[in-house]
Amino acid sequence: DGGITQSPKYLFRKEGQNVTLSCEQNLNHDAMYWYRQDPGQGLRLIYYSQIVNDFQKGDIAEGYSVSREKKESFPLTVTSAQKNPTAFYLCASSQDRIVGGYTFGSGTRLTVV
Amino acid sequence: DAKTTQPPSMDCAEGRAANLPCNHSTISGNEYVYWYRQIHSQGPQYIIHGLKNNETNEMASLIITEDRKSSTLILPHATLRDTAVYYCIVRAAGGTSYGKLTFGQGTILTVHP
Repeated sequence: DGGITQSPKYLFRKEGQNVTLSCEQNLNHDAMYWYRQDPGQGLRLIYYSQIVNDFQKGDIAEGYSVSREKKESFPLTVTSAQKNPTAFYLCASSQDRIVGGYTFGSGTRLTVV
Repeated sequence: DAKTTQPPSMDCAEGRAANLPCNHSTISGNEYVYWYRQIHSQGPQYIIHGLKNNETNEMASLIITEDRKSSTLILPHATLRDTAVYYCIVRAAGGTSYGKLTFGQGTILTVHP
């Protein structure tokens, strides 16, 4: 079945360390997105990519970096510059040229200690 | 994308219809109404979307007013598994208005036995 795989589901890191969250999709979608969710809050867009080798900052890009070397993959690195990295991170994809919904992964819960 | 307003919470008895309202008074002609739901600690799930006609699928019905300034998501026979946060989102589809979904706070729907 097609879908989005995020790994790992839970991640613990020490303060000051960079960490990379994986996101892979086999839906052949052009666009991919990273969202952050804090407790009791809606989702906020970090970065998005409409095509391979191109990506755009979302609303809260500071302290994060991404790459899009392959259509299927859109990894997110949480750097030490991110002040409050502990959150639930969600990856999504869509075929933007066609009206339809997004497909979300199951998320990665990052805890920085 | 137009802003949406939803009630913060609603209750519904199991087996009854759940009607979730959404106001989007600034919606423009090329913007669609999307509904997603998020069960705790999971990725959001696409439910339904529409432009101006009422829509129905296996999960729900979407009723959009004639002036398109508001809509209602209807879960015809709510079950306990429908307890979730429901997000109403307005966005343009296709073209250069790439789909950055902007999530508000949503409506917490609690289905009671």
